[in-house]
Amino acid sequence: QKEVEQDPGPLSVPEGAIVSLNCTYSNSAFQYFMWYRQYSRKGPELLMYTYSSGNKEDGRFTAQVDKSSKYISLFIRDSQPSDSATYLCATPLGSSNTGKLIFGQGTTLQVKP
Amino acid sequence: DSGVTQTPKHLITATGQRVTLRCSPRSGDLSVYWYQQSLDQGLQFLIQYYNGEERAKGNILERFSAQQFPDLHSELNLSSLELGDSALYFCASSPGIASYNEQFFGPGTRLTVL
Repeated sequence: QKEVEQDPGPLSVPEGAIVSLNCTYSNSAFQYFMWYRQYSRKGPELLMYTYSSGNKEDGRFTAQVDKSSKYISLFIRDSQPSDSATYLCATPLGSSNTGKLIFGQGTTLQVKP
Repeated sequence: DSGVTQTPKHLITATGQRVTLRCSPRSGDLSVYWYQQSLDQGLQFLIQYYNGEERAKGNILERFSAQQFPDLHSELNLSSLELGDSALYFCASSPGIASYNEQFFGPGTRLTVL
């Protein structure tokens, strides 16, 4: 079992839809989670991070962590064609004194106008 | 633009060859990371350097090596290349060591091994 699992999709939605992107993780010691967005032919960029359980909101984006079920979600409200990208969840592995991150496979999202 | 630069953008080479990928971190960032992205394995951490010293290692093959120079730029050396090494190689940088530092990714080097 991979430490972080993510459905690669692709996921196709109409403009304006609410999008739900999800990851599961295996190690209950993971505490810090990130969502990266990667446009085609570009490097990933940090979108949001959350620490421990609960929700974090930033504009149209909400990140949610459910530690009891080891489930991470990213919700996108009022999705736009410019949101079309691959979304990767990530978490640090090992000591917090290193920058070693493990990533999910990434979910490719297409928002159709 | 993240401020991280990588050269070259594309590299095509043959099996058995050796290549060097170069990365310049953002100004002021002391940590440099190397990642490999392939369709089957996704984005995988290879190695981290902090201020010239190796800080963390992932599943980096013995045929691969990296270093960070005094001016903080980094190079990833890949030798005895195999077809399976074809992938996107990303460099990232961050100000400090810790995992909660945001990592800024470069545009990547696409390596094709024929």
